[in-house]
Amino acid sequence: QVQLVQSGAEVRKPGASVRVSCKASGYTFTEYYIHWVRQAPGQGLEWMGVFSPSGGTTSYAQKFQGSVTMTGDTSTSTVYMELRSLTSEDTAVYYCARGKPDYWGQGTLVTVSS
Amino acid sequence: QSALTQPPSASGSPGQSVTISCTGTSSDIGGYNYVSWYQQHPGKAPKLMIYEVSKRPSGVPDRFSGSKSGNTASLTVSGLQAEDEADYYCSSYVGANNFLYVFGTGTKVTVL
Repeated sequence: QVQLVQSGAEVRKPGASVRVSCKASGYTFTEYYIHWVRQAPGQGLEWMGVFSPSGGTTSYAQKFQGSVTMTGDTSTSTVYMELRSLTSEDTAVYYCARGKPDYWGQGTLVTVSS
Repeated sequence: QSALTQPPSASGSPGQSVTISCTGTSSDIGGYNYVSWYQQHPGKAPKLMIYEVSKRPSGVPDRFSGSKSGNTASLTVSGLQAEDEADYYCSSYVGANNFLYVFGTGTKVTVL
């Protein structure tokens, strides 16, 4: 069965960076894009960008241009999302999701606090 | 890109129908048939309910249906059940020069 398993919760100070991982299984890793979506507490879903495991290409929402980098490792079927220059407004649950998106990871809570 | 516009809330009694709208522009909803709808229960990851405007993934009840007219997409839930109470989000592909997506503002559906 298709599974996306994300790394655990993180706490960072303002100005720091965070990297969240998303390990895929149950399908051919290179055949589906991986999206990253975040949800601040009590807020809606926000699309951050997408990574193509087959070619390593990316597309980021304008808001995150310059602060986010998405990469992947085909040997481990894992995609990474790094967010830099964190502020309290980056406190959110971060999700990876496959394809349409159809399958979603369980989410990773990133807390930014001094 | 700006978020797609959804009503903050909608409600209906068990057995009734509720329809949620999702309004965008000709650059997103109006330009492509890549509109999806997601259901999210508190503390859970979103679940895909409708994709490509009106297609249902395997396992999603046929009480859920989607449509589109111009720059507005709609999700209808027929025969409301208690477990349908959740937040619902639309999303759309945004083409132009890049591979981009945008989500709606979200609608809280309450089963009275």
